[in-house]
Amino acid sequence: DVKVTQSSRYLVKRTGEKVFLECVQDMDHENMFWYRQDPGLGLRLIYFSYDVKMKEKGDIPEGYSVSREKKERFSLILESASTNQTSMYLCASSLWGVISNQPQHFGDGTRLSIL
Amino acid sequence: ELKVEQNPLFLSMQEGKNYTIYCNYSTTSDRLYWYRQDPGKSLESLFVLLSNGAVKQEGRLMASLDTKARLSTLHITAAVHDLSATYFCAVDVGNEKLTFGTGTRLTIIP
Repeated sequence: DVKVTQSSRYLVKRTGEKVFLECVQDMDHENMFWYRQDPGLGLRLIYFSYDVKMKEKGDIPEGYSVSREKKERFSLILESASTNQTSMYLCASSLWGVISNQPQHFGDGTRLSIL
Repeated sequence: ELKVEQNPLFLSMQEGKNYTIYCNYSTTSDRLYWYRQDPGKSLESLFVLLSNGAVKQEGRLMASLDTKARLSTLHITAAVHDLSATYFCAVDVGNEKLTFGTGTRLTIIP
């Protein structure tokens, strides 16, 4: 089974702090994604990556950055946390290419509160 | 910009009844996914629909895709309490990215 592991289930940080959310997958997937989930808004894509060192902006990248130094690890960075970044953050991974016919696999999520 | 709309947003139904959740999307796509999320948990993949007319069934759930109408349905047959969850559809327009609907929160009442 695919395993996507997020480093923290719950995190509390203060406004202005630099925050790192870590995600590791164990299935050698090329694609990795970061979403945030808010009530009534569903999941919204923040950033994604097709390969090591590559990153692409999603629909709501403002206030975030990412890092992918190794294929299995994808980090989300809040450069200067703000209260409107309080949310549930979900990491996902998938195989590359339309022929893979595989869904994205999700981690358990990190509930982040910015005070 | 791709828009994905689900309805209803909230659904309470009695055990044993049938119901359908609808997922409409605004641009051409032939890849659609259904996920389930239990409270406080992550998303679990239910179905992958890859072509017009695709139909997948698992237990009391059946999903279908009509790419011409840009519509997918998730049908629940003879609902049981264990099916209470939030269901999401997600559309891939071919660039590996998914756009999610806002979800349907399903509550099964005994």
